[in-house]
Amino acid sequence: GNSVTQMEGPVTLSEEAFLTINCTYTATGYPSLFWYVQYPGEGLQLLLKATKADDKGSNKGFEATYRKETTSFHLEKGSVQVSDSAVYFCALYRGSNYKLTFGKGTLLTVNP
Amino acid sequence: KAGVTQTPRYLIKTRGQQVTLSCSPISGHRSVSWYQQTPGQGLQFLFEYFSETQRNKGNFPGRFSGRQFSNSRSEMNVSTLELGDSALYLCASSSGQATETQYFGPGTRLLVL
Repeated sequence: GNSVTQMEGPVTLSEEAFLTINCTYTATGYPSLFWYVQYPGEGLQLLLKATKADDKGSNKGFEATYRKETTSFHLEKGSVQVSDSAVYFCALYRGSNYKLTFGKGTLLTVNP
Repeated sequence: KAGVTQTPRYLIKTRGQQVTLSCSPISGHRSVSWYQQTPGQGLQFLFEYFSETQRNKGNFPGRFSGRQFSNSRSEMNVSTLELGDSALYLCASSSGQATETQYFGPGTRLLVL
């Protein structure tokens, strides 16, 4: 079946540090890949997405590239801010079963 | 456009009771999905509806059920509540197309005592 594996953290960084959160997936066919972010007490917000191999999703300084050869979709940001503190979820979507499959989430804390 | 709305935002129930949660999708979206989020199991898929038809169901007991109305609004019901049903229940909507993004509501936090 489909699965997503991401580094669970927690990850603690200082402001302006470089961020990488690793995400790899297992799926048949060609899934769409997503990063969602969840702030305390809230639902999930879409951060970025990619729908085919070699696509790069980007938003708010975050980037991730859909790598089919390594089945990866690692999240990166060059300079994190305190406001980026949240839980980040990697997910894949297969249109054939109409559901998102999520990783376990990575808690990021950014200290000033 | 208004986002996905869920009501109520918080609920406290006791074991054995039943509960109904409601979700209104983004205007024009015809697909509604439900997910359960717990600290131990993470985010798990419950079911998905498109134009009033359930297209997929997750691995949950029959106590969990749902439906979708002609205006795309959806409800999920949990009967005979157990302590383990305490969770954040998230609803997401999309157009229903294969690569379309799912947009999430704020969730309903259910506490079963």
